[in-house]
Amino acid sequence: AQKITQTQPGMFVQEKEAVTLDCTYDTSDQSYGLFWYKQPSSGEMIFLIYQGSYDEQNATEGRYSLNFQKARKSANLVISASQLGDSAMYFCAMRVQGDFGNEKLTFGTGTRLTIIP
Amino acid sequence: DTEVTQTPKHLVMGMTNKKSLKCEQHMGHRAMYWYKQKAKKPPELMFVYSYEKLSINESVPSRFSPECPNSSLLNLHLHALQPEDSALYLCASSQVVTSGYTFGSGTRLTVV
Repeated sequence: AQKITQTQPGMFVQEKEAVTLDCTYDTSDQSYGLFWYKQPSSGEMIFLIYQGSYDEQNATEGRYSLNFQKARKSANLVISASQLGDSAMYFCAMRVQGDFGNEKLTFGTGTRLTIIP
Repeated sequence: DTEVTQTPKHLVMGMTNKKSLKCEQHMGHRAMYWYKQKAKKPPELMFVYSYEKLSINESVPSRFSPECPNSSLLNLHLHALQPEDSALYLCASSQVVTSGYTFGSGTRLTVV
């Protein structure tokens, strides 16, 4: 069974500090994709970063980087130089083969990040 | 602006009403999805439309019915909903096999 685990329900971080959001996953598939999404209070799911299971380099997108450790099955999100606008819910997600014959995105329980001025 | 457009953004409906949520994308994506998200919970998949085939999560009640008029539109018809169906409904699209899942801004549904 595929599963995504986020063990930090909430985090408080001082502005301008770096923050790491934890994500571990479990799958028997060799080919899979890992995503991080940001969801502000408005509700929209904003794509941040993607890592494919065969990608050897860690993904980076501006201030976001994904620390991919395949053997440990972890895909932590690192946000450098945090800003007040980073306050939101963050979801780790994995693209898996769905139960009803299609690919689907399955989500972890999320981490609520609050940036303190 | 998001490339997946959902309307309406907010909807309040009574338990005897019939309403529809609309989702449209013009990115040429071959798969579209409806997710339901309760407060402080992750999104849960309801339906997938992929390569002209509709797949249904069997745990979703029949009072929700998806409709795909064409490859750019995925509607969600609502009938005789219950208060516990109040949630944020998110539509997404993707190019199957590749990486991108693009979400709309969601419809906040309240059933009274």
